[in-house]
Amino acid sequence: NAGVTQTPKFQVLKTGQSMTLQCAQDMNHNSMYWYRQDPGMGLRLIYYSASEGTTDKGEVPNGYNVSRLNKREFSLRLESAAPSQTSVYFCASTPTVLSGNTIYFGEGSWLTVV
Amino acid sequence: EDQVTQSPEALRLQEGESSSLNCSYTVSGLRGLFWYRQDPGKGPEFLFTLYSAGEEKEKERLKATLTKKESFLHITAPKPEDSATYLCAVQGYNDYKLSFGAGTTVTVRA
Repeated sequence: NAGVTQTPKFQVLKTGQSMTLQCAQDMNHNSMYWYRQDPGMGLRLIYYSASEGTTDKGEVPNGYNVSRLNKREFSLRLESAAPSQTSVYFCASTPTVLSGNTIYFGEGSWLTVV
Repeated sequence: EDQVTQSPEALRLQEGESSSLNCSYTVSGLRGLFWYRQDPGKGPEFLFTLYSAGEEKEKERLKATLTKKESFLHITAPKPEDSATYLCAVQGYNDYKLSFGAGTTVTVRA
């Protein structure tokens, strides 16, 4: 019972480099999310995908792009990393948005941009 | 815009010393209020969902309650393994996302 799996767990990037965070869920959920967590600020939504083939911006989308590759996978790309993107990133999934269903989180990806 | 405020920021308890965490919220139509537990270096782990004022849910030493403006997470006779950060989140009726508070970090000393 893997649930939501994220890779990599840790990454150090130089300013201006690009990278992709991968996320996969095995619960047959329709909806997936990317959040970031910073000290004292709580979790903030970057992008979400209500269903396969759709993606929409959240609260803090600038500097990020996403791809919903199929029902299982939702990736987050940083095209030109900036120190302000140093954070912990969480992927999450839920059966359907606007339903009040539980949202399940992955274990997180720690990203440092120097 | 939905807002969630959790208090206190940090709570230090002696083993067996019961206490409560507060989550105050504003939302235009509550679809659900969620409590999560987060251990250091881990992702949030789901605890409870509350849907309407007056609702209560329990799990081991934890009990969550809900009013129209706030939710409480009561920890009864805590043990060191209850040490964690507890996150509160709300989903409004037309919201696609959860809005999170900053969390309360609970430390239980043996």
